[in-house]
Amino acid sequence: NAGVTQTPKFQVLKTGQSMTLQCAQDMNHEYMSWYRQDPGMGLRLIHYSVGAGITDQGEVPNGYNVSRSTTEDFPLRLLSAAPSQTSVYFCASRRRTGVGTQYFGPGTRLLVL
Amino acid sequence: ILNVEQSPQSLHVQEGDSTNFTCSFPSSNFYALHWYRWETAKSPEALFVMTLNGDEKKKGRISATLNTKEGYSYLYIKGSQPEDSATYLCAFEAGNNRKLIWGLGTSLAVNP
Repeated sequence: NAGVTQTPKFQVLKTGQSMTLQCAQDMNHEYMSWYRQDPGMGLRLIHYSVGAGITDQGEVPNGYNVSRSTTEDFPLRLLSAAPSQTSVYFCASRRRTGVGTQYFGPGTRLLVL
Repeated sequence: ILNVEQSPQSLHVQEGDSTNFTCSFPSSNFYALHWYRWETAKSPEALFVMTLNGDEKKKGRISATLNTKEGYSYLYIKGSQPEDSATYLCAFEAGNNRKLIWGLGTSLAVNP
């Protein structure tokens, strides 16, 4: 199993550009999440999904869209990048039922100029 | 608003010292308590998932205890080594929606 994979690992954008951060998992996990990590702020939830076709907002959703057309994939779209979106982005997945560990992807480091 | 607090914020110890940190969480709507280890430039890795009051889990020199009635968990590291240097995160899993609510972590530095 590859676990949770994210691409790209690093990206530089100009203000106003759009892009999609890819996330995939091969563990058949229903629950997937996107976080951003900023110094002194800890992990903040952007969006999450409890299964294919179902998404919901986390605590910092503004400026981001998600979709979940398959169990495996959970892309995060930046609609119009802003310098405030400079951050490290982590995708994570876990089982929806029962007690289970959450697995994290390796992260995407995004710089918006 | 559900709050998860970790203390201390940071800790510097000498190699061989034993240490412990605290995670405080709401005592209601409890489903599980997660501990993660997060090294710089890597992604968080799971240490323990704990569900039962009084539970104690151990992995090598690291152990954790859980008190759901008073809303706290302790993480212990026995005989700290430089490779234990990392940020240790806890997350409260709420029973109604299964969301994970994260603490800000305890940053541990172990000096050789």
